[in-house]
Amino acid sequence: NAGVTQTPKFQVLKTGQSMTLQCAQDMNHNSMYWYRQDPGMGLRLIYYSASEGTTDKGEVPNGYNVSRLNKREFSLRLESAAPSQTSVYFCASSDARQGPYEQYFGPGTRLTVT
Amino acid sequence: AQSVTQLDSQVPVFEEAPVELRCNYSSSVSVYLFWYVQYPNQGLQLLLKYLSGSTLVESINGFEAEFNKSQTSFHLRKPSVHISDTAEYFCAVSKRTGFQKLVFGTGTRLLVSP
Repeated sequence: NAGVTQTPKFQVLKTGQSMTLQCAQDMNHNSMYWYRQDPGMGLRLIYYSASEGTTDKGEVPNGYNVSRLNKREFSLRLESAAPSQTSVYFCASSDARQGPYEQYFGPGTRLTVT
Repeated sequence: AQSVTQLDSQVPVFEEAPVELRCNYSSSVSVYLFWYVQYPNQGLQLLLKYLSGSTLVESINGFEAEFNKSQTSFHLRKPSVHISDTAEYFCAVSKRTGFQKLVFGTGTRLLVSP
């Protein structure tokens, strides 16, 4: 049982390049989330998927797109990376059947945009 | 909307001393309250949560938090810290109805020294 896995762990991009961050969970959770963590700002929600087949914007969605590929996988895409997107990205999942509302986090992806 | 304030960005303390990490929240509706911990280079993990009932909740590693509705606070305390408690601590809230997204504070870095 790996929990929540994220790939890659580290990435360096040049401004304007695109990339997709991958996330998968093996806990059969319904809901999945993408956050970014910046110094002094805590975690901010980018997008979330309440259940398979649905996605919604969070607090800071501009510059990102997501795909809930199936129940297990939730990817985050940067179409044209900008230096302001330099951050640590965390994926998380949760299941209301396990009680409100513990989220399980992946180890993070550290992204640098130059 | 909900918001969380963690006024202390960093709290240095000596090993075996007591510590309190402060958290205040704002919400027009009833909320659930959480403390998450992030050890260096890891994702977040749930430390404890307040859902209902007793206003004092405890974790398995000696932390406790008390929900104070009148002061809209959920401060985290430990009577005697260990070096291994060095981490960043995030307070979070979610509303009780609808899809419960977490809103995080900016975090408090606890630095325990010998």
